[in-house]
Amino acid sequence: ETGVTQTPRHLVMGMTNKKSLKCEQHLGHNAMYWYKQSAKKPLELMFVYSLEERVENNSVPSRFSPECPNSSHLFLHLHTLQPEDSALYLCASSQGPGNTEAFFGQGTRLTVV
Amino acid sequence: AQSVSQHNHHVILSEAASLELGCNYSYGGTVNLFWYVQYPGQHLQLLLKYFSGDPLVKGIKGFEAEFIKSKFSFNLRKPSVQWSDTAEYFCAARGSARQLTFGSGTQLTVLP
Repeated sequence: ETGVTQTPRHLVMGMTNKKSLKCEQHLGHNAMYWYKQSAKKPLELMFVYSLEERVENNSVPSRFSPECPNSSHLFLHLHTLQPEDSALYLCASSQGPGNTEAFFGQGTRLTVV
Repeated sequence: AQSVSQHNHHVILSEAASLELGCNYSYGGTVNLFWYVQYPGQHLQLLLKYFSGDPLVKGIKGFEAEFIKSKFSFNLRKPSVQWSDTAEYFCAARGSARQLTFGSGTQLTVLP
C-alpha cells in the first residue's frame, strides 16, 4: 500500500460513454499527477497539479479533463474516448517540486470498446 | 526536450547472474535520477534515487546505481539476481522543469 489509492481498478467503456477515474492520496503531499502507461512506450505525463492548480498539460486531447478539488483528490474525467486511449492510467503524488520522489497508485486499467 | 532512454527492452537471466540495466538521460544541468520497479500486478515502487553527493547509490533489495555525469548515465546493477526480481524496471529523471520523465522500461525475467 503506497498511500495513493485509485478507483476503479478496471474500467471498460464505450466510445460514447462518460466516466471518471478517481485518485486519493493520504500522504499529505501537495502535488498530484496523471500518467498514461501503454505497452512498449514510456510513461507519458498527462497532467500535473501543484497546490490544486494545474501546472502542466502535456498536449493531452480535450476528451481527457482533470479536476483537483483539493490536495488529496484528483479526478480524470473521460468523454468520447477512442480505442487507442486504452491503457493503464496511473496517479502519483509528491511533496511539491524539488528533490522528492513520486508515489504511485496501482492504476486503472482502461479499455475502450 | 528532456528524455530518458532504456536500451534493453527485455533481459532474461538465470538466478545468481549479475544484472546491469542501462539508462541514459538527455538533460544538462542539475538532474535528479530514479529507478522504479513494477512487480506483476503491483504499483510502481521506488528502488533508489540520486539527488547529489556520492554517485554510487544503494537502494532496496541489494540494488545499486551509479551516476556517471560525463556519460549522462545512471545504470542499475545487482550482483546476484533472484527469481523474485522478475519485474519491469523504469528509469526516470527530473531536471529543472521539475517534470518526472520516464524511460520505456526494461522487463527483467529471472529463470529459476
